[in-house]
Amino acid sequence: AQTVTQSQPEMSVQEAETVTLSCTYDTSESDYYLFWYKQPPSRQMILVIRQEAYKQQNATENRFSVNFQKAAKSFSLKISDSQLGDAAMYFCAYRSVRDKLIFGTGTRLQVFP
Amino acid sequence: SAVISQKPSRDICQRGTSLTIQCQVDSQVTMMFWYRQQPGQSLTLIATANQGSEATYESGFVIDKFPISRPNLTFSTLTVSNMSPEDSSIYLCSVDEGGDTQYFGPGTRLTVL
Repeated sequence: AQTVTQSQPEMSVQEAETVTLSCTYDTSESDYYLFWYKQPPSRQMILVIRQEAYKQQNATENRFSVNFQKAAKSFSLKISDSQLGDAAMYFCAYRSVRDKLIFGTGTRLQVFP
Repeated sequence: SAVISQKPSRDICQRGTSLTIQCQVDSQVTMMFWYRQQPGQSLTLIATANQGSEATYESGFVIDKFPISRPNLTFSTLTVSNMSPEDSSIYLCSVDEGGDTQYFGPGTRLTVL
C-alpha cells in the first residue's frame, strides 16, 4: 500500500528566509501525482503545488518550489522569502492514476517576524 | 479551479442527533469526495460520491453512519448520524479536476457535546 511520510511535525522560519519541508512516499507505481496542500487556521485545504511523476522538471509556483527525486521517492517543498501568511499546516499528498488521495501527517510551519 | 462552498461552516450538536452537511460546486463535476479530519490529525477519506450511483465507502466507514446523497453534478450531502463526541471533527468535501487534482471546500467544523 502507498504511504506518505512527513518526518517534521513542526518547523519554524524567520520572515524573508527560506525553509524546506520534507516528504517521502512509498509506491510501486511509475505513474502518479504528488501535491502539497496548505491548511491555515481557517481550515480550508489550499493546493500549493502539483508535480506529475513522469515530468523530471521540478514544479514551481511563485515562491514555492519542489525538489522531486523519483528514485529516492522524495518530494520536498521549498518556501522562499517566507511571509507571515505562510504560517499553516502543510500536507504532502500522493495519488496514483484513478486512485484516492493519500495524505501525510502534516508539518506545522511557524513564521516569525 | 472550481469554487466549492459548504454549509454549515460550523455547528455544535447534542449526542444522538444527526447533522447534514451540504457541498455545492459552481461547475459540473463527476467525482466528489468527503473527508474527515479529527483534531490534530490528517485527512481521512470517508467516501467517494458519483452522480447516479451509490457512494463508495472506505474501510471503517458505513452508510448507516454516514449516508451520502449526490442528486446532481454540482451538489452532494453528507449526514453524520447518531452522533457521539468522537464524531467531533472537520468534515471537508472535495472535487476532482482534470482527473488528478482535488480542490477542497472550506470545511465544516462539528462539535458534539
